[in-house]
Amino acid sequence: NAGVTQTPKFQVLKTGQSMTLQCAQDMNHEYMSWYRQDPGMGLRLIHYSVGAGITDQGEVPNGYNVSRSTTEDFPLRLLSAAPSQTSVYFCASSYTGGLNTEAFFGQGTRLTVV
Amino acid sequence: LAKTTQPISMDSYEGQEVNITCSHNNIATNDYITWYQQFPSQGPRFIIQGYKTKVTNEVASLFIPADRKSSTLSLPRVSLSDTAVYYCLGSHGSSNTGKLIFGQGTTLQVKP
Repeated sequence: NAGVTQTPKFQVLKTGQSMTLQCAQDMNHEYMSWYRQDPGMGLRLIHYSVGAGITDQGEVPNGYNVSRSTTEDFPLRLLSAAPSQTSVYFCASSYTGGLNTEAFFGQGTRLTVV
Repeated sequence: LAKTTQPISMDSYEGQEVNITCSHNNIATNDYITWYQQFPSQGPRFIIQGYKTKVTNEVASLFIPADRKSSTLSLPRVSLSDTAVYYCLGSHGSSNTGKLIFGQGTTLQVKP
């Protein structure tokens, strides 16, 4: 199994450009989420999804859009990139169920907005 | 989800046992305590999860007292490769939505 795959690994954008960060998982997990991590900080939740067609906002959703058309994919769109969105972005997926809440994370996308 | 507090950093030496304590005074009845490990330039990795008393796996032990207001992650005989950031999180057991709320974590530096 590949687990959680994020592409690209690195990206440089100019202010105002848009782009989509891709996230795919092959574990048939219902729950997926996006986080950003700034230097020296913990991860902050951007958006999450509890299943295909269902998304909701996390702690820092402004400037980002998501959609969940399939169980496997959960892309994150930056509408108009700003320097404040320079960060490392992590996608995660987890299994449904009350006891097992282990989340699996991708390797991250390092985004720089200039 | 429970708000957690843990030390910002800790130092240790190879071969020692390391105990990282996390405070979660407002933990709810349905909250589980979960610990993640993050190496530089990698995503977090699940280490261990528990509800109360003691849980042990091949990597670590987790101690949660009866009042559940704190928990301690124990790493036996650490090596240099255990240098990482360790996060303590509260998560709902029966109403899991996949949301994880991270704090700043504890940066563990293991020295030779």
